[in-house]
Amino acid sequence: NAGVMQNPRHLVRRRGQEARLRCSPMKGHSHVYWYRQLPEEGLKFMVYLQKENIIDESGMPKERFSAEFPKEGPSILRIQQVVRGDSAAYFCASSPLLETQYFGPGTRLLVL
Amino acid sequence: AQSVSQHNHHVILSEAASLELGCNYSYGGTVNLFWYVQYPGQHLQLLLKYFSGDPLVKGIKGFEAEFIKSKFSFNLRKPSVQWSDTAEYFCAVNGDTNAGKSTFGDGTTLTVKP
Repeated sequence: NAGVMQNPRHLVRRRGQEARLRCSPMKGHSHVYWYRQLPEEGLKFMVYLQKENIIDESGMPKERFSAEFPKEGPSILRIQQVVRGDSAAYFCASSPLLETQYFGPGTRLLVL
Repeated sequence: AQSVSQHNHHVILSEAASLELGCNYSYGGTVNLFWYVQYPGQHLQLLLKYFSGDPLVKGIKGFEAEFIKSKFSFNLRKPSVQWSDTAEYFCAVNGDTNAGKSTFGDGTTLTVKP
């Protein structure tokens, strides 16, 4: 049973470009969570989604950030017009219900 | 709101030393508690978790943690560390009314000297 998949593993963008991060949950998991980890810090919750629904986006910045989890395909975290402060590791986790979350390997975003 | 505090930012130990990493949380309701480990360049792996029952939980790689409700604590322990335990350790809490959203501590970096 494959774990949580994230791609790309590393992403380099210039300021003003868009970043798209993908997350495929573990098979049978319908809950997806996105977290951001800044250097020297812990993970900060961003958004919690179920299929086609955003359940909790209290950790998402109000502008430029959006997330979706369509009926088919991976969950997408989208960052428009990236700035240097967006450079971080972005982790996706999935769970079958409101239980233990299993984390993917993360996407390390570098904004030049 | 829930919050997690990890007391030690960086711990340095020699091999075979005993380990205890502190974790305190703040939340008014029922909680689920977790310890994750992140080896250099790798993703988070679950070490152990507490949902209910015996407050002393055992995890992988010889780690254990004790939930002390009166102290709002969930400290991680290992009797004898190895060089391969060098990693970052995160405590996390998931409250019963937070729909699965986990709050993480800032992490403790453990360096084990051979």
